[in-house]
This record gives sequence, C-alpha cells and structure tokens, in this order.
Amino acid sequence: DTAVSQTPKYLVTQMGNDKSIKCEQNLGHDTMYWYKQDSKKFLKIMFSYNNKELIINETVPNRFSPKSPDKAHLNLHINSLELGDSAVYFCASSQGVAANTGELFFGEGSRLTVL
Amino acid sequence: DAKTTQPTSMDCAEGRAANLPCNHSTISGNEYVYWYRQIHSQGPQYIIHGLKNNETNEMASLIITEDRKSSTLILPHATLRDTAVYYCIVRVGNSGYALNFGKGTSLLVTP
Repeated sequence: DTAVSQTPKYLVTQMGNDKSIKCEQNLGHDTMYWYKQDSKKFLKIMFSYNNKELIINETVPNRFSPKSPDKAHLNLHINSLELGDSAVYFCASSQGVAANTGELFFGEGSRLTVL
Repeated sequence: DAKTTQPTSMDCAEGRAANLPCNHSTISGNEYVYWYRQIHSQGPQYIIHGLKNNETNEMASLIITEDRKSSTLILPHATLRDTAVYYCIVRVGNSGYALNFGKGTSLLVTP
C-alpha cells in the first residue's frame, strides 16, 4: 500500500486551463503539505494543513487553492494555469503540526506541464 | 531557521563510506538537524535527524560537532542506489513550520 499517493502522476495541459491534483495518505497523519519543485530542482513549501485547517500559506499566487475535505486528503486546485506553473508538485504528510520527528512522508510527485 | 551550506556535488566509490558535510554555523539551541535524500524522479525520503548527540539508524549515521555548527551524514557502505541529492535542513523541532529544502548535495556513487 502506498502511504502517500498522488494523482495524476503526469498532467499536460494548455495555458489558461484549470486543473486539480489529488493527494491521499493512509498513515493516519493529521498534517499534510504541498511542495513545488521547479526546473532548477528547488523544493519549496506551498501549503500545510493540520486537521483540515490551513496553517502554512507561503507566498503563492491565489490561483492556487488547496482543499482538505478530511485529514487524509489534501487536494490542490490551480486556476488559469501559466507556463511558470510547470513543475513537479509533491504532497507530504506528518504526524502532528509540530512534526516533532521531522519525518515527512512524501508522495511520488505529480509532474505538471503547461504548454 | 538557520541556513545550511553543503557542497554542490560529491563522488563516492561503491562499498566505501560516503561522508556528506553540512555547515550550519548560525544554528540555535533548539534547532534540530535533519537529513533527507531525493533519488531521481522520486519524492524526498527521510534519513535521520538529531539535536546534539550523534545518531545512528539502519540507513545512516549523523555526527554533530560539539559546537553544533556543522554535521556529517555517513553512509557506511554506499551502494549505487544511494546516488541521490542529499538535503541537510535545520529547523526548530517543536514548531509549526514545514521543512524548507535547500540545494543539497548531489552524491554520485560509482562502481
């Protein structure tokens, strides 16, 4: 069983479209994250949710809207896609907002290509 | 969070120990040192973390200097599958902040 699973794994779309990436974790964790890894391979935090509540919201365009229907799911919706949104998006989870152990469990990533 | 400095890349022969250094000279007393790695096209993977004592687990050892201004991740017997980017991260352990990844060290293990 995959601990943190993301769908789709690959997504190719046109500029201006709206798309969503879904994430589910079966670890019983209460904190989930979205990270973005761009073409230069920098891995940057975007959002974090704890028990369905937004706790971290880095400087991300408001075209990006995370949604957490329950603590096992954190979806990422992106409106009006731009070329610069092309990246690999990683979902992660941890136990506790403090992430005391520092151990994040990452999904395999969703590669978004905007044409 | 304290800033970390790592070499951009390193090589290691298969079967030998890989020693990956990390400088964190501005680390504060309540900040932990975390190590992650990212194998090509995969999500990052937790390796180990520590506060001030040396730590060892099934994957690696973490050696933290007495002044805590630097640390070394040791992979005792590197294999080809250890080829990856290794990230050293410093962060307050009991905080609500996510881990921020820097550029890391690209480790190439050669046959």
